[in-house]
Order: sequence, then C-alpha cells, then structure tokens
Amino acid sequence: EVQLVQSGAEVKKPGESLKISCKGSGYSFTSYWIGWVRQMPGKGLEWMGIIYPGDSDTRYSPSFQGQVTISADKSISTAYLQWSSLKASDTAMYYCARLGSSSSGDYWGQGTLVTVSS
Amino acid sequence: EIVMTQSPATLSVSPGERATLSCRASQSVSSNLAWYQQKPGQAPRLLIYGASTRATGIPARFSGSGSGTEFTLTISSLQSEDFAVYYCQQYNNWPFTFGGGTKVEIK
Repeated sequence: EVQLVQSGAEVKKPGESLKISCKGSGYSFTSYWIGWVRQMPGKGLEWMGIIYPGDSDTRYSPSFQGQVTISADKSISTAYLQWSSLKASDTAMYYCARLGSSSSGDYWGQGTLVTVSS
Repeated sequence: EIVMTQSPATLSVSPGERATLSCRASQSVSSNLAWYQQKPGQAPRLLIYGASTRATGIPARFSGSGSGTEFTLTISSLQSEDFAVYYCQQYNNWPFTFGGGTKVEIK
C-alpha cells in the first residue's frame, strides 16, 4: 500500500528555521516525483516545488523560488521542505504528494500544519 | 504560468441531482488536467487525470471531459459524501497550477 506520512504540526516564531518531512512507503521512492503543496487558511492549493528523489532534480514554482528548499534522502525514502527564516505568512497546511505516472498527484500525505506566530 | 479558472465558485445542488463544474486554462494544456476533491480537514484526493480517466477506486458517477482549454467535471447523481471543494489542476507545464476551486454545497 502506497503511503506518504508527514511529520507533525509545528509552532514557530518569526525568523526561526524549520524542516518538515514526508516519508514514502509501499512503492519505489526513487522512481516518482514528490511535490509540496501549500494551503493557506481558508484558501486554495498551490504547488511549491517538486523533486525527483532518484537524482534530486528539483524544480520550484517562481512564487516559492528562494523562499524554501526542497530536498530528499533516498536512503530513508524521505522528502523534506525547509525554511531558513519563517514569516507569519508561512502559516499554512503543507501537503506532500506523489506524482503518479500521469504526473497528477495520486497519493497525498496527511498534511503538516505550520503556525508561525510571535 | 498557466492560469486555471473554475466556475462557479459555489454550486448549490440537491442530493441526487447532477452537478457540472467548469475549468478553463489560459492556454492549452492538452489533456494534462486533473480533478481533485477536498473535504474539510482532509488532504485532496485525486478523482480524474488525463482529463477523463477516473483514478483508482473513484465511482463511475464522476466523469471528466474536455481538452485544450475547456474542461468539465460532472457528478451524475450527488451523494451526501460528494459535498466538498473540487479543484482542477494542469500538469502540462511547470509550474503546475490549480484552479481556485468550486465548493459544492447542499441546496
């Protein structure tokens, strides 16, 4: 069974750093792109970036380029999303999703809620 | 960046009725279009990919059509569990982009 399990909710202060994770299981982790999607409170979905764990090829949406870093450790089948300096506007739910053979998001993690508040 | 526009923003439908949701792309995305369902407090769920192919386990009452710039998701007979927000998403060009969503609510 394909599963993506994300790390737990985080409460941080502005300026702090953060790294959240997404662990894949039940499939060949290195053979599918993994993407990160932001959903701000009460709002829609936005693709932030995608990574191919097989060779770490990474692409960022222009809106998120330079704001976050996406990485993967294929030895433990885990993808990461990190911030070096959080802002209050980073408060959101973050989902990871596997891009299936059609490149649509066929499996999703349960989401990680990030709250940034002083 | 391709802009995806969904209409209407909210659709009020009675159980058992048909619901038709629209999605328009600012430029052709061929058939590289997916539909997702999201319920409150849950992650999105893939319903349709390739504009018209149902994902695994998706009931036959969900159908997708269209290509190029105009797409439609039809729910033939709404069940109680279908009241949710629906998003279209193109994956023809990076960055992939979602529409703003259509909320299907009980009339």
